[in-house]
Amino acid sequence: DAGVIQSPRHEVTEMGQEVTLRCKPISGHDYLFWYRQTMMRGLELLIYFNNNVPIDDSGMPEDRFSAKMPNASFSTLKIQPSEPRDSAVYFCASSLLGTTGNTIYFGEGSWLTVV
Amino acid sequence: GDSVTQMEGPVTLSEEAFLTINCTYTATGYPSLFWYVQYPGEGLQLLLKATKADDKGSNKGFEATYRKETTSFHLEKGSVQVSDSAVYFCALSIYNQGGKLIFGQGTELSVKP
Repeated sequence: DAGVIQSPRHEVTEMGQEVTLRCKPISGHDYLFWYRQTMMRGLELLIYFNNNVPIDDSGMPEDRFSAKMPNASFSTLKIQPSEPRDSAVYFCASSLLGTTGNTIYFGEGSWLTVV
Repeated sequence: GDSVTQMEGPVTLSEEAFLTINCTYTATGYPSLFWYVQYPGEGLQLLLKATKADDKGSNKGFEATYRKETTSFHLEKGSVQVSDSAVYFCALSIYNQGGKLIFGQGTELSVKP
């Protein structure tokens, strides 16, 4: 089975540019999560969706960040405009409610550098 | 609120040494507990999990027991290998939030030959 698929794997962009990160969750999963990993703050939950509906976006750092899930098989995380402090690894993850332990499966991450 | 605390790293061990990485948690309900591993330059992989008190999760020689009385989920391995060098994350999940994970800060393990 294909796991969570993220793109791009690596992105280098200039400050002020728009960045769009993409995620395809595991087929059949009904929860999707976006996490950010930095050295300073560790792993932070940015937002999560249930059945394509955003449930909790309290972790989104500011208005420059937005996330959408137009259908069950696709989500985007957009940063506009990007800033150097947004440099981080962004992970998408998915899970299926009701499964034992509600295991969350992570993608390989999108490694973003803003210069 | 719910939280996870891990022992500080980095931890440096010689090959075949015994490993313990401490993890304690605070939770209002009865969470599931997880250990994830992140190898250099890679994403997070589930290592093991336990869903209720006294459960023991195990995988690849690693073990952890869900101790409700001490709110702990310490990771152990009897004999580490160089290939175990990675960052290990303890986490708890909240069932009624889709299994949303709250992570500890991570513990870097370096195993020397």
